Amino acid sequence: GNSVTQMEGPVTLSEEAFLTINCTYTATGYPSLFWYVQYPGEGLQLLLKATKADDKGSNKGFEATYRKETTSFHLEKGSVQVSDSAVYFCALSDVNTGNQFYFGTGTSLTVIP
Amino acid sequence: KAGVTQTPRYLIKTRGQQVTLSCSPISGHRSVSWYQQTPGQGLQFLFEYFSETQRNKGNFPGRFSGRQFSNSRSEMNVSTLELGDSALYLCASSLEDRGREKLFFGSGTQLSVL
Repeated sequence: GNSVTQMEGPVTLSEEAFLTINCTYTATGYPSLFWYVQYPGEGLQLLLKATKADDKGSNKGFEATYRKETTSFHLEKGSVQVSDSAVYFCALSDVNTGNQFYFGTGTSLTVIP
Repeated sequence: KAGVTQTPRYLIKTRGQQVTLSCSPISGHRSVSWYQQTPGQGLQFLFEYFSETQRNKGNFPGRFSGRQFSNSRSEMNVSTLELGDSALYLCASSLEDRGREKLFFGSGTQLSVL
């Protein structure tokens, strides 16, 4: 079946540090991969996505590359800011299961000045 | 363009009661999904509706049900509430139903069962 495993948190970084949040997936078909971010008291917002192997999604300085050979979609940012403090979710969807998205358990990130 | 609207924002119920949550998707979106978010389990898929038809259902008991109206608004109902149903319930809408388009989430309904 489909599933997503992501790095457990919480993660605490100093401002301007490098961020990596690991995400690996299992899928029966050809999934699209997503990173969503959730700020306190809000719903999830799409951060970036990739729909096929070797695609790189990027937004707001965050990047993730769809690696089919390692079934991974790790999130990276070169220099984090305090405003990046949030919970990050890796997710996949599979055209065979319509709009049923599979989410990781989330990784809480706190950036300290 | 208005976002996904969920009402109410907070609910407190007691065991055995039932509850109805409402979701208004973004105008033009015909797919509406529901997720349960808990600290230990993350987001768990409940069900998805597209053009008033339930297309997918997650692994939840029959106490959890939903429906979608002709204007794409959706409701979910939980009957005979249990303590373990306490969670943030998120609604998400999407333009299409094939999983390629992103989901737009509402802010959720925080349900507390006492």
